[in-house]
Amino acid sequence: SQTIHQWPATLVQPVGSPLSLECTVEGTSNPNLYWYRQAAGRGLQLLFYSIGIDQISSEVPQNLSASRPQDRQFILSSKKLLLSDSGFYLCAWSRQGNYGYTFGSGTRLTVV
Amino acid sequence: AQSVTQPDIHITVSEGASLELRCNYSYGATPYLFWYVQSPGQGLQLLLKYFSGDTLVQGIKGFEAEFKRSQSSFNLRKPSVHWSDAAEYFCAVGAGTYKYIFGTGTRLKVLA
Repeated sequence: SQTIHQWPATLVQPVGSPLSLECTVEGTSNPNLYWYRQAAGRGLQLLFYSIGIDQISSEVPQNLSASRPQDRQFILSSKKLLLSDSGFYLCAWSRQGNYGYTFGSGTRLTVV
Repeated sequence: AQSVTQPDIHITVSEGASLELRCNYSYGATPYLFWYVQSPGQGLQLLLKYFSGDTLVQGIKGFEAEFKRSQSSFNLRKPSVHWSDAAEYFCAVGAGTYKYIFGTGTRLKVLA
């Protein structure tokens, strides 16, 4: 069966510090991978998606970047965090086509 | 442009009462439609999905949803709500091969 791992679960970082959130998927190959952000009281905003290694599409220009160094690894990064980067970050995967996402358990990021 | 609207931000029902959460979408082609549930601080779990065929779909935890093309709606229902159903519910539409559009969510509160 397929599983998705996302870490860390919570993170408190000072403004201006770097960020690295990691997401890995097991039990499948060539998944579509996604990073979403959920701000307090708001819906899910798609940040990045990837259909293959080193194939990253950005949905919203901002202070973040994403990389996919391996088929089942998706990393969300920032060189310098802003207060507005605080939120709940969710990684998800899907098979090719619209079969529905499977989400990770999320990372609560607080920038102070 | 594609969009998903969940008109109810908060809904409160008594335990044992019936539930209907509304979802309206805007999409040019035949949509792929989903309902997800999110418990506090957790990732999202797929409740059910509609791709084609029977417009009444059954999901997990006793939920069902009905696709009504004429009304561009995909409302979620449950005949008898349990206290454990208290969570946030998201409707989503598959907006192309790789991307999904989520509604802003409906937070359900269940009274004992």
